[in-house]
Amino acid sequence: NAGVMQNPRHLVRRRGQEARLRCSPMKGHSHVYWYRQLPEEGLKFMVYLQKENIIDESGMPKERFSAEFPKEGPSILRIQQVVRGDSAAYFCASSPSGAGANVLTFGAGSRLTVL
Amino acid sequence: GENVEQHPSTLSVQEGDSAVIKCTYSDSASNYFPWYKQELGKRPQLIIDIRSNVGEKKDQRIAVTLNKTAKHFSLHITETQPEDSAVYFCAASIGANYGQNFVFGPGTRLSVLP
Repeated sequence: NAGVMQNPRHLVRRRGQEARLRCSPMKGHSHVYWYRQLPEEGLKFMVYLQKENIIDESGMPKERFSAEFPKEGPSILRIQQVVRGDSAAYFCASSPSGAGANVLTFGAGSRLTVL
Repeated sequence: GENVEQHPSTLSVQEGDSAVIKCTYSDSASNYFPWYKQELGKRPQLIIDIRSNVGEKKDQRIAVTLNKTAKHFSLHITETQPEDSAVYFCAASIGANYGQNFVFGPGTRLSVLP
């Protein structure tokens, strides 16, 4: 089992460009979560998705940020018109389906640097 | 919604001593409480977890206790070693028919001094 795969591991963008971060959950997992972590800070929840559905996006900024988890392919976190404040590590995590499924497994993270 | 607080934010102990990190949560519906360890530049990794129907769980040098009435849970590390140095995050999850969501505490930076 390859675990939760994120790519790219490092991404550099200039202000105003778009950033796309991809996450493939663990085999058999159908729930995906995205968290943002600033240096020396904690994990801030952004969005929780199941296949083709956004379950909870209460932690995601209303503008410039979007997420999807299509029927086929990885989950994608998209940041449009990036600004310096978007520089952070973005962690994806996945868990199995079912009520009370628990056990969240994290990917290695994607580190976004905005110049 | 759920709110998780964590104390202390930093903790230094001598090698061989014990370390205790405490968390409180606000939503009585929370039913699962994992602890994650994050080493510098790496991903958070699950080290131990406890479910709401259990009061205590132990795995070698690590133990977690849960007090549902008081809505707090704690991580205990005994005989600390330098490799225990990391940031530790507690979390609380709320289950629902469609799945669950997790709220993390702000983290505790543990330093084990040789």
